[in-house]
Amino acid sequence: AQTVTQSQPEMSVQEAETVTLSCTYDTSESDYYLFWYKQPPSRQMILVIRQEAYKQQNATENRFSVNFQKAAKSFSLKISDSQLGDAAMYFCAYRSAYGGSQGNLIFGKGTKLSVKP
Amino acid sequence: ETGVTQTPRHLVMGMTNKKSLKCEQHLGHNAMYWYKQSAKKPLELMFVYSLEERVENNSVPSRFSPECPNSSHLFLHLHTLQPEDSALYLCASSQDYLRDAGHSPLHFGNGTRLTVT
Repeated sequence: AQTVTQSQPEMSVQEAETVTLSCTYDTSESDYYLFWYKQPPSRQMILVIRQEAYKQQNATENRFSVNFQKAAKSFSLKISDSQLGDAAMYFCAYRSAYGGSQGNLIFGKGTKLSVKP
Repeated sequence: ETGVTQTPRHLVMGMTNKKSLKCEQHLGHNAMYWYKQSAKKPLELMFVYSLEERVENNSVPSRFSPECPNSSHLFLHLHTLQPEDSALYLCASSQDYLRDAGHSPLHFGNGTRLTVT
């Protein structure tokens, strides 16, 4: 069974600085997707960025980028130029490339990010 | 504005009460999901409906009873709950349950914060 591990329960960053959130996962599959979701106080889970395992190039979305190391099964999220609105819980998630029950999202426990003004 | 709406936002109920959580999606999706989010635990998938048919029930106690009358609405009926059932209950939808994960990302609602006293 697949597992997702986020080893940092809490992180803190100064406004305008850069922070990296860690995520590792375990799978025997070769084709899958990895996601970072953000959950602000509004509680809605918002997709931040996603990575297809078959792509070697790291995904980027504006100030958000990932460092995907497939062999090491590592998927970290880098937030550049941190803003107060980035403060939230961040969840790393894995999803098999197949649909149906194989494609169900598997979440880590989350990292709470605080942004200091 | 979210395409997935959940009501109520907060709910406090006694162990002998019967209540229902409601989820509505305005995205034209065919699959809907119930997740349970407890403190310091990964999100747990509870139920999945695809085209109004229940396709997954992840060993959820019978005191939780889902209902999907049409592809836009999903309910979670609650009765004789326990204090450990207190959690955030998140609803999500996706275009298609059987298509691969890349073409059918999940969209989440804001959740219902449930407290069982």
